[in-house]
Amino acid sequence: DAGITQSPRYKITETGRQVTLMCHQTWSHSYMFWYRQDLGHGLRLIYYSAAADITDKGEVPDGYVVSRSKTENFPLTLESATRSQTSVYFCASLAGFNEQFFGPGTRLTVL
Amino acid sequence: AQKITQTQPGMFVQEKEAVTLDCTYDTSDQSYGLFWYKQPSSGEMIFLIYQGSYDEQNATEGRYSLNFQKARKSANLVISASQLGDSAMYFCAMRESNAGNNRKLIWGLGTSLAVNP
Repeated sequence: DAGITQSPRYKITETGRQVTLMCHQTWSHSYMFWYRQDLGHGLRLIYYSAAADITDKGEVPDGYVVSRSKTENFPLTLESATRSQTSVYFCASLAGFNEQFFGPGTRLTVL
Repeated sequence: AQKITQTQPGMFVQEKEAVTLDCTYDTSDQSYGLFWYKQPSSGEMIFLIYQGSYDEQNATEGRYSLNFQKARKSANLVISASQLGDSAMYFCAMRESNAGNNRKLIWGLGTSLAVNP
């Protein structure tokens, strides 16, 4: 199916563990984004990527690592998860100049 | 300081009536873009409408229109003939500097809209 998918959809992990959230898009959009959504903060940009092998920090990058070896994949890694990283994570890709298409989100709980 | 302000945490509207969701923004750029997204209770984010700062006419998409008042730095979303399916969170966002390669959005905190039957 065409679109943008995220996996896993739900994840529970423990403080200090490494976690990788996957994002895959089928459109070959150049730009991709990772956001976190928390009550009281709206959506905040973690990292974004303009193309394969080009990534840049967003508003809240600390504690996260991204890579983009292929246009269609944009994984987000929490190197050592903390409770403050409990959130809903959205991946998005940009069609043209304006419309960002979002994945369904990953709900991450760090115990 | 917040760059995107949505002052209405929650709104109610009667089915079939129109509703306006407020959004004000702050930027010193002359070229920028304003967006509205919808997030139903299922969680996905859905693009609704876009307005460029140089667009002379207000953007419209079906029942959605964006009331753009540049001097007041406001970009209110108007939903006409509300439907039960319009119940959702609505987010206003801005892309500063439409020029160049900037594609990043700055988001407001959202307004929760409930449509009553």
